[in-house]
Amino acid sequence: KAGVTQTPRYLIKTRGQQVTLSCSPISGHRSVSWYQQTPGQGLQFLFEYFSETQRNKGNFPGRFSGRQFSNSRSEMNVSTLELGDSALYLCASSRVDNTEAFFGQGTRLTVV
Amino acid sequence: KQEVTQIPAALSVPEGENLVLNCSFTDSAIYNLQWFRQDPGKGLTSLLLIQSSQREQTSGRLNASLDKSSGRSTLYIAASQPGDSATYLCAIRTNAGKSTFGDGTTLTVKP
Repeated sequence: KAGVTQTPRYLIKTRGQQVTLSCSPISGHRSVSWYQQTPGQGLQFLFEYFSETQRNKGNFPGRFSGRQFSNSRSEMNVSTLELGDSALYLCASSRVDNTEAFFGQGTRLTVV
Repeated sequence: KQEVTQIPAALSVPEGENLVLNCSFTDSAIYNLQWFRQDPGKGLTSLLLIQSSQREQTSGRLNASLDKSSGRSTLYIAASQPGDSATYLCAIRTNAGKSTFGDGTTLTVKP
């Protein structure tokens, strides 16, 4: 059974650009959550989608957005990139909301 | 607002030692608690999930306990091995579906 797949694994972008990250959950999982991990702030919750609806949102600016498709795959978009957006972005999926979460390997975003 | 604290931030033990990692939280109205390990630059690997109604879960050499009244969870690792070296994180999930992570405990097991 395939795990959570995140693409791309590594990304280098320039300040001001925008970026889209992708997450394919485990087959049968309908809930997808996104997190940002940095050495200074640790793991911070971005948002959660369940059946194509955003159910929860963390305390991030509107430059961070996401969506979920009918096949449960999710994308996260960051517009007008800033240096401080450099981080490991992690996606987690679960069968339904509030059950065991399984994480992907993450996308390492570097903004220069 | 839920706050999750993990102490100590780092721990170094000799191989074969039994050890306990701690996780404390401020709001006892939780849905579940999950322990993860993370290797450098990698994603998180789920270790154990404890539902709010449960007191403990076991998997192999790992045992996790949950005491909601005191706002504490512990992860017990028996007979530690160098391969156990990683950062261990606990995550609290509320009924509203939001997850809060601790900053983790970085464990080093020396051969």
